Amino acid sequence: RKEVEQDPGPFNVPEGATVAFNCTYSNSASQSFFWYRQDCRKEPKLLMSVYSSGNEDGRFTAQLNRASQYISLLIRDSKLSDSATYLCAVRTYSGAGSYQLTFGKGTKLSVIP
Amino acid sequence: SQTIHQWPATLVQPVGSPLSLECTVEGTSNPNLYWYRQAAGRGLQLLFYSVGIGQISSEVPQNLSASRPQDRQFILSSKKLLLSDSGFYLCAWSDSLYGYTFGSGTRLTVV
Repeated sequence: RKEVEQDPGPFNVPEGATVAFNCTYSNSASQSFFWYRQDCRKEPKLLMSVYSSGNEDGRFTAQLNRASQYISLLIRDSKLSDSATYLCAVRTYSGAGSYQLTFGKGTKLSVIP
Repeated sequence: SQTIHQWPATLVQPVGSPLSLECTVEGTSNPNLYWYRQAAGRGLQLLFYSVGIGQISSEVPQNLSASRPQDRQFILSSKKLLLSDSGFYLCAWSDSLYGYTFGSGTRLTVV
């Protein structure tokens, strides 16, 4: 089983739609969770952290289920500018004061006019 | 504020040639530093990480190496490039509290 797995996508949705991304992780000792956004031929940028109680930032809602080792990202009222690849990332302590961030392969989202 | 610089942005190198990619971080001290590679159609693969000067951990055995000669400098090198080394190379830093911040990346094409 891969360490971090995501929906393969791509997702093609109309403007205004609600879209959900799912992610599962295999290491139960993982401590922190994130969603990144990566535009074409650009570096990934942190979209939001995912907290145990769930968190919201405008149209974006992230949720974590530690028991199921599952993370989700919900985008409401999709905009054309939301088109990008969304990467799930899981951070695990690797010893000697170092943390490692493991990424899923990402899910490509295209919002269509 | 912290910034991360990575260069060059694009590089085309022949097979068998050497490689040196540099990454520097400003505005922080003793950061954890990382090199990732993203091959076409594939996910981000961690290559090396460093928790301090001269301390390098390798995640994937290959013909690449990394060095950290200064606290905020991280270098990725190869003595002889292979076609399979083509990809998007990303340097990142972390302060152990939050997610990583990536540099703008180097797109390497080995021909």
